[in-house]
Amino acid sequence: QVELVESGGAVVQPGGSLRLSCAASGITLSSYGMHWVRQAPGKGLEWVTFIEYNGRDKNYADSVEGRFTVSRDISKNTVFLQMDSLRHEDTAVYYCARGRGPPPQQHFDQWGQGTLVTVSS
Amino acid sequence: DIQMTQSPSSLSASVGDRVTITCRASQSISNWLAWYQQKPGKAPKLLIYRASSLESGVPSTFSGSGSGTEFTLTISSLQPDDFASYYCHQYNSYSPTFGQGTKVEIK
Repeated sequence: QVELVESGGAVVQPGGSLRLSCAASGITLSSYGMHWVRQAPGKGLEWVTFIEYNGRDKNYADSVEGRFTVSRDISKNTVFLQMDSLRHEDTAVYYCARGRGPPPQQHFDQWGQGTLVTVSS
Repeated sequence: DIQMTQSPSSLSASVGDRVTITCRASQSISNWLAWYQQKPGKAPKLLIYRASSLESGVPSTFSGSGSGTEFTLTISSLQPDDFASYYCHQYNSYSPTFGQGTKVEIK
């Protein structure tokens, strides 16, 4: 049974940094691309970033390019999202999701429960 | 980026009703479209992928159709568990995007 568990959400001041984690069980991250998707309070879904199964290929939404970095640790079967220079508009629940299909045509078949990031002074 | 226009933004319906939600892409995405259901405080759940393929375990009352720029999610007979928000998702490129969502409420 696949399980994705996010952690690391917190309240942080504008300009601050935070690192989110997504621990996977029931799957091996070296076999799947993984995505981060966020949802601002009361709003819709926004794709944030993607890391390919090989760990090398990555893509970012324009809204986070240059501020967020996705990475993974295969030994821990965990994906990370390093978020720097945080802004009020980054406030959201952050979900990790497994990509299914050949990139870039991947839909998201497994999701974590999400972790809340609040950017506030 | 490809824009996804989803309609309606909300609807009220009764148990047993047939419900249709539409998504329009700003350019052709072939059939690289998925539909998700989301309940308050929960993660989205995959319902349909490749525009019309039903995800395993999803009731057959859900169906998807369309290709190119016009897509539809249909719930043939609305059940109490179906009251939720629904999102379309295009994944034709390395910049996937979602529709704005449709909230299905009880009439």
